[in-house]
Amino acid sequence: GAVVSQHPSWVICKSGTSVKIECRSLDFQATTMFWYRQFPKQSLMLMATSNEGSKATYEQGVEKDKFLINHASLTLSTLTVTSAHPEDSSFYICSAPRTGLNNEQFFGPGTRLTVL
Amino acid sequence: AQKITQTQPGMFVQEKEAVTLDCTYDTSDQSYGLFWYKQPSSGEMIFLIYQGSYDEQNATEGRYSLNFQKARKSANLVISASQLGDSAMYFCAMSFTGGGNKLTFGTGTQLKVEL
Repeated sequence: GAVVSQHPSWVICKSGTSVKIECRSLDFQATTMFWYRQFPKQSLMLMATSNEGSKATYEQGVEKDKFLINHASLTLSTLTVTSAHPEDSSFYICSAPRTGLNNEQFFGPGTRLTVL
Repeated sequence: AQKITQTQPGMFVQEKEAVTLDCTYDTSDQSYGLFWYKQPSSGEMIFLIYQGSYDEQNATEGRYSLNFQKARKSANLVISASQLGDSAMYFCAMSFTGGGNKLTFGTGTQLKVEL
């Protein structure tokens, strides 16, 4: 089946630093990818839609200058958490839909970010 | 706007028994898709089953079946012959035509399978 990878799987950083998370579709092309955020014991909340070749679309309440998204190619989207603070600590998951397969979303394994 | 409601924060079921996880949704769109995902403690999201709004038959995938009642706007997941490995968080989610395939998730149900 389709595979989406994320890197890194976990990261610990100091407050004020920036962290980049990569999301790759390994065996299909994805013109669109989605970034979700999940706090412990809560649901997934959509942060933004990453569009290849154009700007990302952010959900209401998500700071676009805080969470920079770049869809560099048809198989790669990156999320950069700029000037991270402890409240940014969370589980970040990306997904990519594959057209034609009921538009099923294939999820990456997630990245656990801890900001000290 | 789309909304997904899962009213069972936690469920217990005995091994080999069947269990139903509830999901209701609210949308004014005629064309939409309903999904169920399983999230074990590792965090990965595992796709279980899909139901399209125009599908007349309930979807089935192995031990998973989706009880789709369109008029009631419900899409309950039925897991038959529960196994210990079924213990996980289960999320109901919805996409809609024109929404660019993005998913709206319910709050989830934590399922625990007991011996």
